[in-house]
Amino acid sequence: NAGVTQTPKFQVLKTGQSMTLQCAQDMNHNSMYWYRQDPGMGLRLIYYSASEGTTDKGEVPNGYNVSRLNKREFSLRLESAAPSQTSVYFCASSEVTGDDTEAFFGQGTRLTVV
Amino acid sequence: DQQVKQNSPSLSVQEGRISILNCDYTNSMFDYFLWYKKYPAEGPTFLISISSIKDKNEDGRFTVFLNKSAKHLSLHIVPSQPGDSAVYFCAASRAGSGTYKYIFGTGTRLKVLA
Repeated sequence: NAGVTQTPKFQVLKTGQSMTLQCAQDMNHNSMYWYRQDPGMGLRLIYYSASEGTTDKGEVPNGYNVSRLNKREFSLRLESAAPSQTSVYFCASSEVTGDDTEAFFGQGTRLTVV
Repeated sequence: DQQVKQNSPSLSVQEGRISILNCDYTNSMFDYFLWYKKYPAEGPTFLISISSIKDKNEDGRFTVFLNKSAKHLSLHIVPSQPGDSAVYFCAASRAGSGTYKYIFGTGTRLKVLA
């Protein structure tokens, strides 16, 4: 029962390098999300995908791109990493059923940009 | 513009006593609220939620109270246990928008002293 799986768990990048964070969920959820967590800032929404084929900007989208590859997978790409993107990144998924739902989170990717 | 605020970065409580964590929001369109718990090096895990049609929801030792007029919610944990020591995030969203774009607060670190 994997839930939401993120890869890699840790990554160190040099300024200007690019990389893609991968996320997959096995709960057949329609909605997926990318958050970043920084000290004192809580969890901030970067991008989300309401359903396969759609993506929308969240609170802090600058410097990121996303791809909803299929219903299971939602990737986050940093085209030119900057030290300000050092953070812990969380992927989440949810299903809108009735009035109540919650998001399920992955274990996170700790990214350091030097 | 922080739409969801947790004004207490930390809280210490004696084991067996009540822990009260508070959260305020500014957007009156929010109608679904959640609490998440997060241990170090793990993803957030869902704890309890409440819809705006209710003012209280209880699940075992955890109770969430919602005061819509004050745009305030609180999480009560009683009795508190050392295993409850974690960072607690409140989150808010709008139901019926097709996806739940969860907006999180900055978190409160709870320490339960044995």
